[in-house]
Amino acid sequence: GENVEQHPSTLSVQEGDSAVIKCTYSDSASNYFPWYKQELGKGPQLIIDIRSNVGEKKDQRIAVTLNKTAKHFSLHITETQPEDSAVYFCAASKIQGAQKLVFGQGTRLTINP
Amino acid sequence: NAGVMQNPRHLVRRRGQEARLRCSPMKGHSHVYWYRQLPEEGLKFMVYLQKENIIDESGMPKERFSAEFPKEGPSILRIQQVVRGDSAAYFCASSPQAGDNSPLHFGNGTRLTVT
Repeated sequence: GENVEQHPSTLSVQEGDSAVIKCTYSDSASNYFPWYKQELGKGPQLIIDIRSNVGEKKDQRIAVTLNKTAKHFSLHITETQPEDSAVYFCAASKIQGAQKLVFGQGTRLTINP
Repeated sequence: NAGVMQNPRHLVRRRGQEARLRCSPMKGHSHVYWYRQLPEEGLKFMVYLQKENIIDESGMPKERFSAEFPKEGPSILRIQQVVRGDSAAYFCASSPQAGDNSPLHFGNGTRLTVT
C-alpha cells in the first residue's frame, strides 16, 4: 500500500522568511496530494491540493510542487506570519473511488516573531 | 453553512465501557470518512460510508469497532469494550461525492480518553 514520508518533523523560521516542507510517496498510482493545516484542538483544514496532471499550484503565499518521476511533493509558504504556526500534514490518494488519504507524520511549524 | 459537526468533543471512558462518537456531515454531503489520530502522528483511515452502506472498512480493527451511517441522523463510530490503546482523536470527514473535485472536509474531532 501507499506510504507517505514527511520531513522535517519540526521547523522553526523567523517571521517573514519562507518555510518548505517535503513529502515522498511510494505508490506511483497516487494522483491526488492535499496539504492540511491543523491547529491545536482542531481538525485538519485543507489549505491547498494538487493533482498529478499539474506540476505546481499557487494560492497567495502558499505553493505546492509535485515531481511525479521522483514521487515527491513540497509545500512552500512565503512571507511567513505568526498565524502560520501549526502542524502541517501532507497526504496522498488515488482520486478514483474513495478518498482514502494516507497522511504523512506531520511537521510542527513555529514562526518566531 | 455549518461544517462537519462531531460530538462529543471530549469523551472519557473506563476500560470495558462502550464509546459512541457522532458525526454530522456538511449539508449536502452524503459521503463520510472516519480517521484516527494517535498523539504526535498523522491521521489513519478507518472506514468510508455512504448513506446506509459501508463502502470500505479496510482500516477498521476487526473486533470491537463498528460504524454506521443511517438514512436519517448522524454517522456513528462505536467502540465496544474500550482499552487504553483506543485513546486517540477520532476525526470525521465528509465530501459531496466520491472522486475528483471532492476534497475532504474534517470536523474538529472527538478526543477519547480511556482510563
